[in-house]
Amino acid sequence: QSALTQPASVSGSPGQSITISCTGTSSDVGGHNYVSWYQQHPGKAPQLFIYDVNNRPSGLSNRFSGSKSGNTASLTISGLQAEDEADYYCSSYTSNRIYVFGTGTKVTVL
Amino acid sequence: QVQLQQWGAGLLKPSETLSLTCAVYGDFTEYYCWVRQPPGEGLEWIGEISHTGRTIYNPSLKSRVTISVDPSKKQFSLNLNSVTAADTAVYYCARGSDYRWIFGGQGTPVSVSS
Repeated sequence: QSALTQPASVSGSPGQSITISCTGTSSDVGGHNYVSWYQQHPGKAPQLFIYDVNNRPSGLSNRFSGSKSGNTASLTISGLQAEDEADYYCSSYTSNRIYVFGTGTKVTVL
Repeated sequence: QVQLQQWGAGLLKPSETLSLTCAVYGDFTEYYCWVRQPPGEGLEWIGEISHTGRTIYNPSLKSRVTISVDPSKKQFSLNLNSVTAADTAVYYCARGSDYRWIFGGQGTPVSVSS
């Protein structure tokens, strides 16, 4: 099972919106609505930000939203803030009943 | 609120066995997994175990991995045998619920070096 494909880096200015893509196959992203997104700051454990494509855990900012079209899922961060600077990983359940992560995207706030 | 605390040996020699344990504080009723992250790289899902002991492993590691559970202690463990430098990584334990993972452990850095 290959890692899901994400852009290596995405940047934006404070207040702008950015979108991170996550491309897989019909055996993972395209075949299930079990796509999650994780934020990871350096030296910290990943934190769940989006699950089931477009659901946010309780208490997390509504500036983060998810979507999916075909074999590609996306995470959009609206109103970009300095604290959003981190690595972001997508993850999907697969037809083999295992999970696969994306290659990771470094978000830089200019 | 479920919390996780993990521990294990952080320095191994090639061919040795990596052993890590994760304790669950709170309800012990769901799924649990191990994920690793090599230095400067992305996340890799290693495998999962249910509170009843059912396991699923990543095929890329299946021949070397064993995940076990001790419900009486509310703990689950990872064993990875015949380690090499490629197994050097930070290892995380996580709790699963409805096809998503919640990382509660702080991560254990493991280095394999002769």
